[in-house]
This record gives sequence, C-alpha cells and structure tokens, in this order.
Amino acid sequence: GQQLNQSPQSMFIQEGEDVSMNCTSSSIFNTWLWYKQDPGEGPVLLIALYKAGELTSNGRLTAQFGITRKDSFLNISASIPSDVGIYFCAGQLFTGGGADGLTFGKGTHLIIQP
Amino acid sequence: GAGVSQSPSNKVTEKGKDVELRCDPISGHTALYWYRQSLGQGLEFLIYFQGNSAPDKSGLPSDRFSAERTGGSVSTLTIQRTQQEDSAVYLCASSFNIRKQFFGPGTRLTVL
Repeated sequence: GQQLNQSPQSMFIQEGEDVSMNCTSSSIFNTWLWYKQDPGEGPVLLIALYKAGELTSNGRLTAQFGITRKDSFLNISASIPSDVGIYFCAGQLFTGGGADGLTFGKGTHLIIQP
Repeated sequence: GAGVSQSPSNKVTEKGKDVELRCDPISGHTALYWYRQSLGQGLEFLIYFQGNSAPDKSGLPSDRFSAERTGGSVSTLTIQRTQQEDSAVYLCASSFNIRKQFFGPGTRLTVL
C-alpha cells in the first residue's frame, strides 16, 4: 500500500524561529492535507491542497503540493508557544466514484523552547 | 453540536469482551471515516462510508471489526472479542465533499 514518510520526527526550536517539515510518498495523491493534533484531541485541519504545484497559506502557515504529486511541505513562520503539537501530513487518492481513506504520515512533534 | 462527536470518550474493557464505539458526524456530511491511532503512531484508515454503504472496508484489521451506519448519519464501530493489541484511540471523521475530513475527539480504548 501507499506509504508516507514524514520528517523530521521531532523538532526542538526557539520561539520565533521558522519551522519546515515535509512528506514524501511512494505513489501519487491528488489531495494533500496537513493536520495538527493536540494531546487528547482529534486532528484539526490546517491546510488542504488540491493541485500539483499549489501553494497555499493560512496565517503563518504555508504548504505546497509538490509537482510530482508525491510530496508536500509545511512551513510555519515566527513560531509561537501555541504551535506546539504534533503535525500530520495526509494524502488522499480518489476517483469520481469514491474516495480512499486518508494515508497519514507518522507525525512531526514540534516542541518550542521559550 | 457543530463538530463531529464520539462516545464514549474513554472505554476500558476486559480482553474477550465486545465494545461498541459511536460517531455522530457533522450534520449534512455524507461521508464518514473511521481511523485508529496507536500510541505514538499516525492514523490508520479502517473503513469509509458514503451514505449508509461502505465502499471501502479495506482497512479493517480482522473480522472481529465491523461497522455500520444507519440513516446516513450515526455510525457504530464494533470490536468483538477484544484483544490487548486493539488498545488505541479510535477516531471518526466526516466530510461533505470527500476532500476535507473533519475529525472528532476520539474514543480511547484500553483492553486489559
């Protein structure tokens, strides 16, 4: 089946620094999603990407859908304490008749030191 | 409520018992998904419903797992004869246009 490699597994950064994480896939997707999960809660959707090459921003977050359709990155600028959490990439392949479930990366654990 | 809700939030059971987990999707969302998240892991897809039918059951790990959805709304995930390796957080998501999935808070299942 499809596999997503997400890196890095964890990041220890200073408040105010920029953050970058990425995912690569063994096969193509036609949707990439980025989620953030806080302890004890479900993932919250941050950014959705639908076209190869698409670059989308949501406040301090920017994500891109790779042109090969096998990769995506997420950048966070000027990190703040509430950015702490686990970030997951997810890919989805669907046809006109239906949709696969999301395939998730294993997550990037972001830790911010004040 | 406005979001996906799941119940119970926590469930502790003994090995061999059956459990039922419930998901109430966002009103109007036709697609519903179940995922499992083991400790420190990403999410693993289990099953997908479009309306009341399940076109994709490929992720169910064994025949002890089953799910149903009635009335195009509430879904129940049933695990029969639970095993310790079933311990995980079970997450439900719903979507309207199959591209954006919105997740509930999950049910934490502990099998003793």
